[in-house]
Amino acid sequence: GAVVSQHPSWVICKSGTSVKIECRSLDFQATTMFWYRQFPKQSLMLMATSNEGSKATYEQGVEKDKFLINHASLTLSTLTVTSAHPEDSSFYICSALTVTGAPNEQFFGPGTRLTVL
Amino acid sequence: AQTVTQSQPEMSVQEAETVTLSCTYDTSESDYYLFWYKQPPSRQMILVIRQEAYKQQNATENRFSVNFQKAAKSFSLKISDSQLGDAAMYFCAYRSYSGANSKLTFGKGITLSVRP
Repeated sequence: GAVVSQHPSWVICKSGTSVKIECRSLDFQATTMFWYRQFPKQSLMLMATSNEGSKATYEQGVEKDKFLINHASLTLSTLTVTSAHPEDSSFYICSALTVTGAPNEQFFGPGTRLTVL
Repeated sequence: AQTVTQSQPEMSVQEAETVTLSCTYDTSESDYYLFWYKQPPSRQMILVIRQEAYKQQNATENRFSVNFQKAAKSFSLKISDSQLGDAAMYFCAYRSYSGANSKLTFGKGITLSVRP
């Protein structure tokens, strides 16, 4: 099956710093990638949808100036948490939508655990 | 807007037994996809099974099968011969059929534990 990687798998940073998370589709091209946030024992909350070469579409309530998303190529999307604060600590998951093969199937990355001190 | 409801937060099953996880959804669309995802302690999301709404036949994948009732907007997952490795959080999800970029709508999830 299609593989999506995320890097780093976990990161600890100080309050006020910025953190970049990379999401890559390793063996397929993804015109659309999704970024989710998940708290323990809760569901995935969609933050934004990114399309290659265009601006991301953010869900209501998500600060686009805080969570910068770039989808510069068909295999790479990045999420940058700017000026991170402890309340941004969470598990971030990316997902890529295939353009070929099984229709409308999303493949998920393994997630990134962010801890802001 | 579509909604997905998983009303049971937790369930438990004895190893080798069968368990059914419930899911209902609300939509005004006639064509859509329904999914069950598994999230084990590693937190990697794994697709368990997919159902296209236009197909009357219930999807099956080895020990996993669904009971899709389109009129009732119900989509339950049955796990047969439960194994310890089935212990995980399970999410029911909906996606519109139209639109290449249509997003998944998830339910709140259910935590399944398997007793040895």
